[in-house]
Amino acid sequence: GAVVSQHPSRVICKSGTSVKIECRSLDFQATTMFWYRQFPKQSLMLMATSNEGSKATYEQGVEKDKFLINHASLTLSTLTVTSAHPEDSSFYICSAEGTSGYYEQYFGPGTRLTVT
Amino acid sequence: GNSVTQMEGPVTLSEEAFLTINCTYTATGYPSLFWYVQYPGEGLQLLLKATKADDKGSNKGFEATYRKETTSFHLEKGSVQVSDSAVYFCALSGFGNEKLTFGTGTRLTIIP
Repeated sequence: GAVVSQHPSRVICKSGTSVKIECRSLDFQATTMFWYRQFPKQSLMLMATSNEGSKATYEQGVEKDKFLINHASLTLSTLTVTSAHPEDSSFYICSAEGTSGYYEQYFGPGTRLTVT
Repeated sequence: GNSVTQMEGPVTLSEEAFLTINCTYTATGYPSLFWYVQYPGEGLQLLLKATKADDKGSNKGFEATYRKETTSFHLEKGSVQVSDSAVYFCALSGFGNEKLTFGTGTRLTIIP
């Protein structure tokens, strides 16, 4: 149980274009999902908290207009990187909060974004 | 605020060696503590957790005990295998707070 998927696993896009990443909780409902960014050989940086049916809460320094988050259902959150630039190239990981009551998170396999 | 300090790597061990990865934390109240593992090119997997003082989390031969007196949650395994090679992250979620605070990760390499 508690499986989270991400799609696509890898994407290459041209500078200036937008790319959408999907995060799905496959066997449980998640009112809260999280989006992280991971730089090479570094820890995860929380970008935003996504709550179903409401606006996402962004961490300080994360551009809301650049990283659009939509949590339209209890099993799906999307991250859209708009007008991507090479510096946006990174490993993006989502997670979904479990239902145990202890705030444990279940992570997706990640999406490798490369902007050329 | 909350913080997690993790043993810096990389750590290289021979197969069947004993493993300890140190983790200490700073938090108010009673956080929940987690160890996550990340295999190459993949997302994070929950390895084990402990939600209150003196709890011991265990999974796949790994163990960690929630020590409130020393604010620690060290990860141990008695006999490591090559397949344990990965990056290990210690994390906490604060009391009443859903956000996870991660340590910097420790890269573990096991050589045959």
